[in-house]
Amino acid sequence: SAVISQKPSRDICQRGTSLTIQCQVDSQVTMMFWYRQQPGQSLTLIATANQGSEATYESGFVIDKFPISRPNLTFSTLTVSNMSPEDSSIYLCSVVSGGAVEQYFGPGTRLTVT
Amino acid sequence: AQSVTQLDSQVPVFEEAPVELRCNYSSSVSVYLFWYVQYPNQGLQLLLKYLSGSTLVKGINGFEAEFNKSQTSFHLRKPSVHISDTAEYFCAVRRNTGGFKTIFGAGTRLFVKA
Repeated sequence: SAVISQKPSRDICQRGTSLTIQCQVDSQVTMMFWYRQQPGQSLTLIATANQGSEATYESGFVIDKFPISRPNLTFSTLTVSNMSPEDSSIYLCSVVSGGAVEQYFGPGTRLTVT
Repeated sequence: AQSVTQLDSQVPVFEEAPVELRCNYSSSVSVYLFWYVQYPNQGLQLLLKYLSGSTLVKGINGFEAEFNKSQTSFHLRKPSVHISDTAEYFCAVRRNTGGFKTIFGAGTRLFVKA
């Protein structure tokens, strides 16, 4: 399975600012995803990060709020823009590697917006 | 579309007792099924998966799950739990053709008491 790291592991940010979260994988992967996990809740898919092209966003999520980059097969970033307290969540990077069916997850970034 | 229902939000159990975490799913097409565990302040870790074949699936840490197609269930079991099993458990489903989108249940908090 792939080893996934995320930076930062946690942050406290002011309302109205932006934060970029990095996801690094130790090997090339087929698919990369970004999820949000709001306090005490399950995971919600934000978008699929596509290498070299625009991300594919799920209903309720837009590029202006959550711009995503994926410049190569091992790295992606998610930016949370113009933050409000409602954006306080854990943001998780997830990958599918090779011919695998299951997803693997990074340790998450715990974001608190004040 | 697929959906997942985890029937218990919290399950308290004494150490060394057996436990069952219940999961029902809904889908009009064939699916893959997964159980993930999330320990405090960590990402999700795959416990086990059902792709096809034998309906009894064994995973890590002594967990197993049984796929029941007629009841559309995929309950997770462990014959004897440890304090260290205290965590959040997520059932998830993905269609077995046409994409990687995975739907997660709301989660079940397993709390093992001494």
